[in-house]
Amino acid sequence: NAGVTQTPKFRVLKTGQSMTLLCAQDMNHEYMYWYRQDPGMGLRLIHYSVGEGTTAKGEVPDGYNVSRLKKQNFLLGLESAAPSQTSVYFCASSPGTLRTQYFGPGTRLLVL
Amino acid sequence: EDQVTQSPEALRLQEGESSSLNCSYTVSGLRGLFWYRQDPGKGPEFLFTLYSAGEEKEKERLKATLTKKESFLHITAPKPEDSATYLCAVQAGGGGSNYKLTFGKGTLLTVNP
Repeated sequence: NAGVTQTPKFRVLKTGQSMTLLCAQDMNHEYMYWYRQDPGMGLRLIHYSVGEGTTAKGEVPDGYNVSRLKKQNFLLGLESAAPSQTSVYFCASSPGTLRTQYFGPGTRLLVL
Repeated sequence: EDQVTQSPEALRLQEGESSSLNCSYTVSGLRGLFWYRQDPGKGPEFLFTLYSAGEEKEKERLKATLTKKESFLHITAPKPEDSATYLCAVQAGGGGSNYKLTFGKGTLLTVNP
């Protein structure tokens, strides 16, 4: 039981490049989330999903897109990376609303 | 807008020196308050969930309490391995807030041997 895993662990991008971050969970959770963590800002919700095939915007969605084609996977895409998207990205999952969210190990992204 | 403020920003303790971390919150209808521990370079690790004022939960040297305005994380006789950043988050009720955790900026705890 691996819990929540994230791929890749670290990535360097040039401004304007695109990439996809992958999150996978093996706990059969319905809900999945993408957060970003910046120094002095705390964790902020980017997008979330309440089930396979659904997505919704969080607090800071601009510049990101997501997809939940399979229940166990939640993808975060950056179509045209900007330096302001340099951050650590965390994926989380939970069995339902008002339930504990379990976090992955994070992806560190540097946009030059 | 939901707000979470954690204090102090950083706390340095000697091994065995007990203390408390504070999390004060302003939300419209608290549904749950969560404490997480985060080690450098890792994801947040769940510690506790508190749902109503007066509730308390314990795990080893940690005890979390909740009032209508704030939560405390009490650390009794800490050890160096308790060194980490402790995050507090709240979940409010109603509409889209049902899914959203609002996090504080965390308290960096360092326990010296």
